[in-house]
Amino acid sequence: DTAVSQTPKYLVTQMGNDKSIKCEQNLGHDTMYWYKQDSKKFLKIMFSYNNKELIINETVPNRFSPKSPDKAHLNLHINSLELGDSAVYFCASSHDRGIVTGELFFGEGSRLTVL
Amino acid sequence: QKEVEQNSGPLSVPEGAIASLNCTYSDRGSQSFFWYRQYSGKSPELIMFIYSNGDKEDGRFTAQLNKASQYVSLLIRDSQPSDSATYLCAVKGPRAGTALIFGKGTTLSVSS
Repeated sequence: DTAVSQTPKYLVTQMGNDKSIKCEQNLGHDTMYWYKQDSKKFLKIMFSYNNKELIINETVPNRFSPKSPDKAHLNLHINSLELGDSAVYFCASSHDRGIVTGELFFGEGSRLTVL
Repeated sequence: QKEVEQNSGPLSVPEGAIASLNCTYSDRGSQSFFWYRQYSGKSPELIMFIYSNGDKEDGRFTAQLNKASQYVSLLIRDSQPSDSATYLCAVKGPRAGTALIFGKGTTLSVSS
C-alpha cells in the first residue's frame, strides 16, 4: 500500500491551461504539504494544511490554489500555467507533534512540464 | 528569511571512504533536524533525524548537531556506490505548524 500517493505522475500541458494534482495519504497524519522542486533540486514549501485548515501559505502566485476536503486529501489546482511552473511537485504528510515534528513522508512526485 | 545552506558539491569519495556532508542554518530557535536522501527521479527518503546536541548513529550513518554553531552534519562510513545521491538537509523552526525548510542539497558520488 502506497502511504502517500499523487496523481498524475506526469503532466505535459500548454501555457495558459489549468491543471490539478491530487494527493492522498493513508498514514493517519494530520498535516499535509505541497513542495515544489525546481530543476536545480531545490525543494521549497508552498502550502501546508493541518486537519483541513491552511496553516502555511508561502509567497506563491494566487494562480495556485490548494484544497483539502479532509485530512487525508490535499489537492493543488494551478490556473493559467506559465513556463516557470515546470517543476516536480511533491505532496508530503507528517504527524506534527507540536514543536518536535515527525518526519515528512513524501509522495512520488508529479512532474509538470509546461510548453 | 530562514535559510539552510549546503555545499552543492559534487562531493566525490572512493568506495569504502567516509563521506562528510555539512549543513548550516540561520534560525537559532530551530528544534528538529533531518537528513534526506534523494536518488535521481525519486522522492526524498529520510535517513536520520536529530533533536539534541551531539552525535546520533544508525548503522553506517552518523548525524552530528551543534546548536551553538548552528551546524548539522552527516557522516557516511564505508561509502558504497549505492550511496551516490543528493543529500538534503532539512530544519524545522521552533513554532508548531512550521514546515521543514530544505537546503539545496549536496550531490555525493561514490566511485568503485
